[in-house]
Amino acid sequence: LAKTTQPISMDSYEGQEVNITCSHNNIATNDYITWYQQFPSQGPRFIIQGYKTKVTNEVASLFIPADRKSSTLSLPRVSLSDTAVYYCLVVPARQLTFGSGTQLTVLP
Amino acid sequence: SQTIHQWPATLVQPVGSPLSLECTVEGTSNPNLYWYRQAAGRGLQLLFYSVGIGQISSEVPQNLSASRPQDRQFILSSKKLLLSDSGFYLCAWDQDEKLFFGSGTQLSVL
Repeated sequence: LAKTTQPISMDSYEGQEVNITCSHNNIATNDYITWYQQFPSQGPRFIIQGYKTKVTNEVASLFIPADRKSSTLSLPRVSLSDTAVYYCLVVPARQLTFGSGTQLTVLP
Repeated sequence: SQTIHQWPATLVQPVGSPLSLECTVEGTSNPNLYWYRQAAGRGLQLLFYSVGIGQISSEVPQNLSASRPQDRQFILSSKKLLLSDSGFYLCAWDQDEKLFFGSGTQLSVL
């Protein structure tokens, strides 16, 4: 079971790019890296998933180095509505337990 | 498209009372289904998952049980609630290692 480590909290200002890094030193060969976003009183929402190198969608980018022992979620030009908890997971879904995540607070 | 329904949205129950939370999924067949619990300010704890009718795996020994009487129905139950059962309960299904969550039930045990 790959354990993940990410910062407890981060602050940013509107319009800035935010990068949240997750460490997963014992990631297995078949594991994918998945990021979720959670607002208060809501279930987490899937943001992006990747295996290696770089993945980009309309919401975010995910950067994964060659050794896959870490990953970085990049949110371009954040707004106040991006204030949420962000979770990184790297295990098969049926073994998923979310850690405490990273509380991102976007300030005006 | 697939949708997941979970109810009720909020629930206040006395200690020792029974519990039944229901979750249904539409638009897919034979989904993997999950029950999670989130304590205030904490991460999500996986409680149960099911890969098919009548097949339940428990991740954490506790006061709760789960059942899957139909392909797209997942039920979380308790015979006698404890104060420590309070929390935000989420049902989810997965596709391609991605989880999709319901809107959750906020349970307060008093």
